[in-house]
Amino acid sequence: DAGVIQSPRHEVTEMGQEVTLRCKPISGHDYLFWYRQTMMRGLELLIYFNNNVPIDDSGMPEDRFSAKMPNASFSTLKIQPSEPRDSAVYFCASSPWRGGNEQYFGPGTRLTVT
Amino acid sequence: KNEVEQSPQNLTAQEGEFITINCSYSVGISALHWLQQHPGGGIVSLFMLSSGKKKHGRLIATINIQEKHSSLHITASHPRDSAVYICAVIWNGSEKLVFGKGTKLTVNP
Repeated sequence: DAGVIQSPRHEVTEMGQEVTLRCKPISGHDYLFWYRQTMMRGLELLIYFNNNVPIDDSGMPEDRFSAKMPNASFSTLKIQPSEPRDSAVYFCASSPWRGGNEQYFGPGTRLTVT
Repeated sequence: KNEVEQSPQNLTAQEGEFITINCSYSVGISALHWLQQHPGGGIVSLFMLSSGKKKHGRLIATINIQEKHSSLHITASHPRDSAVYICAVIWNGSEKLVFGKGTKLTVNP
């Protein structure tokens, strides 16, 4: 298996633009997690899905952020409109079952909002 | 407040030294993870444990549930071990990982 795939790997955009980050989890994994990493706050969970259903989105910073998982092999994280403070590395991870199990991280998307 | 504390924040060692990184947490957990993040940014899961001790190569992870403490040990450290090591826990009744701030390890040749 190719592991968790994220695209794009780098994104530079201007404030106010819409940004869409994409994730393909490992086939057969029931759980998908979106994380954000910044120097100030470290790694934080934004939202996670179980069997394509959002379970907990309490980490989503505000209404500008939204995430979808239309099927078992694809998820998106959208920021609209983007702001400079959204600049961070966004990781997607998947897990075979129950959140307590090992998680497999994608390579991350480095987002810079100018 | 549920917290995960790691120490030290930064650690510099000479090649061959024995390394210990500590993680303490505030309330009951169902699992604890140790993750490694290399300078390139990728994150790899090293261990997941809920009791006792696990070993993989030169890496050893231990956990003491009563004391709410875990340690990650690296024996015969090597420059390629240079990375950020992150402790993360899953609180009882939750499915979410909560992360420590990480320990930046530098191993000099």
